[in-house]
This record gives sequence, structure tokens and C-alpha cells, in this order.
Amino acid sequence: GAGVSQSPSNKVTEKGKDVELRCDPISGHTALYWYRQSLGQGLEFLIYFQGNSAPDKSGLPSDRFSAERTGGSVSTLTIQRTQQEDSAVYLCASSPRTGKGSNQPQHFGDGTRLSIL
Amino acid sequence: LAKTTQPISMDSYEGQEVNITCSHNNIATNDYITWYQQFPSQGPRFIIQGYKTKVTNEVASLFIPADRKSSTLSLPRVSLSDTAVYYCLVGDVEAGGTSYGKLTFGQGTILTVHP
Repeated sequence: GAGVSQSPSNKVTEKGKDVELRCDPISGHTALYWYRQSLGQGLEFLIYFQGNSAPDKSGLPSDRFSAERTGGSVSTLTIQRTQQEDSAVYLCASSPRTGKGSNQPQHFGDGTRLSIL
Repeated sequence: LAKTTQPISMDSYEGQEVNITCSHNNIATNDYITWYQQFPSQGPRFIIQGYKTKVTNEVASLFIPADRKSSTLSLPRVSLSDTAVYYCLVGDVEAGGTSYGKLTFGQGTILTVHP
């Protein structure tokens, strides 16, 4: 079956440019997460969506980062005025929200590798 | 979220059983223990999850002692394709839980399987 899809898989851009990263979650999954993974590091939480709302944006590193989700499905992570320290792999994950106690695992896409020159 | 400690790296040989232990001394009552596997250039892949005692699936087993302050991921008869980074996570992983299910990944354990 279709898993979490992210695009583009690779993005190279110049410092100062804006970038948009896209995530298509698994159909029917209402919870969506964005994470960032720098070289040799663990994953860093960025933002969580439940449907189209974002109850937890605590991981966004600065106001240059924003994300939205429409139709309870596709999500876009936007980074404005990119800096070299933004270079990382940006991962998206989704899971169904079935109520407490079920503890459904998160399913990850393969990420977008972002390189800022 | 509970902090976890696991070995930075492990080496094994094909056909051997591999056990990776994770310490999580301040695990909370609502926390589950979840293990993910990650290959280069891929996103993490869910392996197994448990709350207490033993859980087994087609891929691995997870052993959790009564005090839940540690857990051991057991991979039977590893092959070269099991070479990957393995992450132990502890938290209220349900999306409706208090932490919204957001996962905190540490450094993980780099498992290298040799021929």
C-alpha cells in the first residue's frame, strides 16, 4: 500500500532563497509530524498537526519556518530566507488517531534532503 | 519525555542473535517503549512496541523487566541487511496523549553485521 510520500527527495538552493517541502501522509491518517535530522544526529521534532490544526509548534527553530496542512491531508513545510544551518533531512510522519490506549506507531517518509549553498 | 541511553555501536556476524539494551530510568506510567530502524537515506521504520513483559512479532522481540527502567531489543539470526541504526524511544506515543505523540530520537545504536 502507499506509504508517506515526500517531495522533492533532494533540494539544493542558495542561501536566502525560500523553499517548500511537501508531505503526503498515508490516507486516513489524521496526525502528521515534521522532524529534522542533521548529519549524524537523531531526529528533532518540528511541528505536529491533528487534522488541519497544529496544537504543537514548539519545535520550529525560528519564525522563518512555517507549516500548513490542508484538507486534513497534504502538508507543506516552508523555510524562508534559508540559511546554511537549515541544511538537513526533513522527515514527515503520519499516524491514525484512534484514541488513547491504542498507541499507533508513526510511519515515516524517506525525507527531503535539503542543502543550502 | 523520558531520556534513553543505548550503546553507540555494536558489531555482530550473520546468523547470530543480537540484543540491544536501552536504559530509561525515568519512564512514566503512560509511556510506551518503541524501537525504530533506520537505513541510510531512508526514514525510520517501526520495528516493535511494548509496555511491559515480552512482545514478539515477525521481526524482533522486545523484553521489558517489571520495573520498566530498561528494555532489550532482540534480533534473531541477523543478516547483512540488518545493518542499520536502531533507535529506542520512550513516550506517550499516542497522538491523543499528553505529548501529542511527538517522538524524541537519541543518537541510536549503529549495528554492523559482518559476513
